Amino acid sequence: GAVVSQHPSWVICKSGTSVKIECRSLDFQATTMFWYRQFPKQSLMLMATSNEGSKATYEQGVEKDKFLINHASLTLSTLTVTSAHPEDSSFYICSADPGQGVLEQYFGPGTRLTVT
Amino acid sequence: ILNVEQSPQSLHVQEGDSTNFTCSFPSSNFYALHWYRWETAKSPEALFVMTLNGDEKKKGRISATLNTKEGYSYLYIKGSQPEDSATYLCAFTKTNAGKSTFGDGTTLTVKP
Repeated sequence: GAVVSQHPSWVICKSGTSVKIECRSLDFQATTMFWYRQFPKQSLMLMATSNEGSKATYEQGVEKDKFLINHASLTLSTLTVTSAHPEDSSFYICSADPGQGVLEQYFGPGTRLTVT
Repeated sequence: ILNVEQSPQSLHVQEGDSTNFTCSFPSSNFYALHWYRWETAKSPEALFVMTLNGDEKKKGRISATLNTKEGYSYLYIKGSQPEDSATYLCAFTKTNAGKSTFGDGTTLTVKP
């Protein structure tokens, strides 16, 4: 149980285009999902907290107009990188919080974004 | 800014060796400390979540201890196997905020 999928697993896009990444909890409901970004040889950096039915909470320094987050249902959150630039190339990974006293987060496998 | 530090950054051991890693975190406003195992091309997998000072958790050959007063946790692997090769991440959750701050990880390579 507690499986989280992420799609796509990798994507290459041209500069100026937008890319949508989906994060799904497959066998549980998650009122809260988290989006992280990982730069090479660095730790997972929290970008934003996504809450079902409400606006996402962004961490300091993360542009909310550039990284659009939508948590439309209890099993799906999406991250859209708008007007992508090469510096947005990174590894993006989501996690889902089952809530109800469960302290663990369950992670997706991540998405490698390359902007050319 | 919360600093979560892990050491060593990487570790190479022979099959059968026992090993341990360290995670240090702020000792104030502690809520939980998590250990994850992350194999290449897979999702990070939760190993342990610890909340109480003095907690010791064990899963097979892997165990972890927690000292919230001094702000550190140890992860031990007894009799390392090649399949233990992975990056081990720790994450600190402050109060009941839900969100976690991650360390950079310790990458373990176990040679047969």
